[in-house]
Amino acid sequence: DSGVTQTPKHLITATGQRVTLRCSPRSGDLSVYWYQQSLDQGLQFLIQYYNGEERAKGNILERFSAQQFPDLHSELNLSSLELGDSALYFCASSVGVEGTEAFFGQGTRLTVV
Amino acid sequence: GENVEQHPSTLSVQEGDSAVIKCTYSDSASNYFPWYKQELGKGPQLIIDIRSNVGEKKDQRIAVTLNKTAKHFSLHITETQPEDSAVYFCAATKVLTYSGAGSYQLTFGKGTKLSVIP
Repeated sequence: DSGVTQTPKHLITATGQRVTLRCSPRSGDLSVYWYQQSLDQGLQFLIQYYNGEERAKGNILERFSAQQFPDLHSELNLSSLELGDSALYFCASSVGVEGTEAFFGQGTRLTVV
Repeated sequence: GENVEQHPSTLSVQEGDSAVIKCTYSDSASNYFPWYKQELGKGPQLIIDIRSNVGEKKDQRIAVTLNKTAKHFSLHITETQPEDSAVYFCAATKVLTYSGAGSYQLTFGKGTKLSVIP
């Protein structure tokens, strides 16, 4: 158990809908990272938050947004969902901003039908 | 941007043999190289990492080597066991600047599916 908690584990929704994925980082970790894993693209970095502030953006679509709350948990919001958004979404956390020693959660499997 | 190439994509070894997975990176600014193991239905698990000021690091049956000049790094697993079967990912970091702040993002290789045959 990495100590990073993601909910829900599975999510099935229809195209055009909006969903929210939740992540609780390890105790003491200030950085949260979101990754998307698909068969053809592998693990793709989406966005990073550090102590409530956005620090880096990767290949995140404009339909997607995230935030980190004062208690350091984070939410990834996916809207206007398309079939191609079906993937595993992982959250990782680390103590500092540098991305070193990042620990991943179990992921949320999103299926868009 | 950073590009990480990982080879081979699949690897089968007999139990007890060694396994080697190789990665190359493109950005000479990268200075942190972790390896992750992902078992079916689980998230990636950090198994070992190396920083650019070190050439080799070992942890029991696992070792990682780094050649900064050639921009490649490798994972070595000795005395493989069936429980080593999984997908292994290498990654590299580079510094990003966003709104004046600095941060790192992990760029992953495509993964190697390792099968250890009993």
